Amino acid sequence: EVQLVESGGGLVQPGGSLRLSCAASGFTFSNYDMHWVRQATGKGLEWVSAIGTAGDTYYPGSVKGRFTISRENAKNSLYLQMNSLRAEDTAVYYCARRGSWYNYYMDVWGKGTTVTVSS
Amino acid sequence: QTVVTQEPSFSVSPGGTVTLTCGLSSGSVSTSYYPSWYQQTPGQAPRTLIYSTNTRSSGVPDRFSGSILGNKAALTIAGAQADDESDYYCVLYMGSGIWVFGGGTKLTVL
Repeated sequence: EVQLVESGGGLVQPGGSLRLSCAASGFTFSNYDMHWVRQATGKGLEWVSAIGTAGDTYYPGSVKGRFTISRENAKNSLYLQMNSLRAEDTAVYYCARRGSWYNYYMDVWGKGTTVTVSS
Repeated sequence: QTVVTQEPSFSVSPGGTVTLTCGLSSGSVSTSYYPSWYQQTPGQAPRTLIYSTNTRSSGVPDRFSGSILGNKAALTIAGAQADDESDYYCVLYMGSGIWVFGGGTKLTVL
């Protein structure tokens, strides 16, 4: 069964750091681009970052310079290092798999991990 | 800054047909943006419905369909059922590795 399981969420103070992990199983992880998507309570989905199979990384302006996406193919794992956290980064963070190299969509989603930034 | 627009809310009667749209604050949505659609119920992860404008994801009933209508991407739900009551999100691929989600549409079936 194809599965993504996020972990690492928690309560952190403003200005602090947190590292999220996503464990992949049931597919050849190294063959797929991966994403992080977040959702604040009562709000919509927001794309946070993506990483290609070659390790190329992409971010929207809202997190660029503060968040770093990475992957460790030998461990079938995706990471999101979040620094200089702000209250507005409070959200459920989902990891998602890109469907295929020739299509642009997310086909598999994890259940999410919750990040709360508060003093 | 590119904004992807969706209707904040929509209502449909059981058995009815509804079309949700996904537009751009500036410009037109075309197939080159690879529009995809996701369904989400409260407390759950998103579920992929449609990708590449009009391709249904595995297991998605054929009463869900995608298209380009005018200058927007569209998701049409035919024969709406009670369990279609959800939030629906589109996402567009803007190129250069950048993706943008729409604000979502809350669909009520009543």
